[in-house]
Amino acid sequence: AQKITQTQPGMFVQEKEAVTLDCTYDTSDQSYGLFWYKQPSSGEMIFLIYQGSYDEQNATEGRYSLNFQKARKSANLVISASQLGDSAMYFCAMRAFQGAQKLVFGQGTRLTINP
Amino acid sequence: EAQVTQNPRYLITVTGKKLTVTCSQNMNHEYMSWYRQDPGLGLRQIYYSMNVEVTDKGDVPEGYKVSRKEKRNFPLILESPSPNQTSLYFCASSPWGANHEQYFGPGTRLTVT
Repeated sequence: AQKITQTQPGMFVQEKEAVTLDCTYDTSDQSYGLFWYKQPSSGEMIFLIYQGSYDEQNATEGRYSLNFQKARKSANLVISASQLGDSAMYFCAMRAFQGAQKLVFGQGTRLTINP
Repeated sequence: EAQVTQNPRYLITVTGKKLTVTCSQNMNHEYMSWYRQDPGLGLRQIYYSMNVEVTDKGDVPEGYKVSRKEKRNFPLILESPSPNQTSLYFCASSPWGANHEQYFGPGTRLTVT
């Protein structure tokens, strides 16, 4: 079974600071993908970044980067130069290449950016 | 525009009154899925479909039915809704393969009284 753990229910950060959102995972699968999604107060789910389990380089997408440490089974999201619009709920998720290929989500971290 | 649509967006109903939430995608994706989101629990998969006429249970299938008669549509059916099915529901689709992001619909907020 797969499990995602996000240990930070809420985080408060000053605008323009960098922020790291923690994510650890547990799986017996060898091949899997790790995803981060953003959910603003309007409710939609916005895809941010993807990391494959066999990717050697950490993924980056603009201000988002994924700090992937496979041995530690962690996939932390780093947001550089935070903006007020980054205030939202953030979900870490994983998807195995075998079987149902469902997305397994963590509980989420609510990020608040203060001006 | 590539998108997943859901209807209705908001629904208040009473216990036992059958309802259907529609989901449609225009990206020709093989894989479609339904999730429910509850506070503190993240999103949990209800049912998924790997292609037309191929569906299977996710983690929380009790009280729900689905069908996949056409590739683009994947309706969620609550035959006898109960208050514990009050939740935010998302439909999602993607190509087959775990390296693909899932595209989410806008969500349906359901309240069962």
